[in-house]
Amino acid sequence: GAGVSQTPSNKVTEKGKYVELRCDPISGHTALYWYRQSLGQGPEFLIYFQGTGAADDSGLPNDRFFAVRPEGSVSTLKIQRTERGDSAVYLCASSPRSTSGGGELFFGEGSRLTVL
Amino acid sequence: DAKTTQPNSMESNEEEPVHLPCNHSTISGTDYIHWYRQLPSQGPEYVIHGLTSNVNNRMASLAIAEDRKSSTLILHRATLRDAAVYYCIRSASGTYKYIFGTGTRLKVLA
Repeated sequence: GAGVSQTPSNKVTEKGKYVELRCDPISGHTALYWYRQSLGQGPEFLIYFQGTGAADDSGLPNDRFFAVRPEGSVSTLKIQRTERGDSAVYLCASSPRSTSGGGELFFGEGSRLTVL
Repeated sequence: DAKTTQPNSMESNEEEPVHLPCNHSTISGTDYIHWYRQLPSQGPEYVIHGLTSNVNNRMASLAIAEDRKSSTLILHRATLRDAAVYYCIRSASGTYKYIFGTGTRLKVLA
């Protein structure tokens, strides 16, 4: 389809392992966002890309989390030395440009990460 | 705090209008108000947004108080498919971080 695609949809891993989550935004969308959603909570901002560069990574919880978008399209969220507290749904969203206060974000269905 | 205040849950009968309130008493003059909804096992979906004037689209209406300290999302005829968590978000002009609260869980009764 033409929406935001996230893979894998489900990932189960063991504590201490490395994980990569992929986001394929809507074609032509220059802005890309990662959010994390814990059970019963609203989504929590992690990082925002405008093009290839991370314009704001202030939501990344610590240096175990890193995200890239090398060609300005697909993005990968990388989590090192996973902990049980990292278990959540990781949501990706894109928009045609920076929303700059207004405008619409298009979200994917998320990648559910479970750390045992 | 940029988070808004919403009731935890609301119920509505099918085919009746629903008014979902949101309090954003610390809003500044250039902050937008957005509404998203999230169905089970899906990502949030855009509903509507506005700045000062009331807004209408095919999904809903957004009524913004004159002092902008509160707003109401109006679903004109609730259907079972409208059962979701509704998030009211404020975002400052020039920023791109949407701060979600815990939202209102809307239950629609047949």
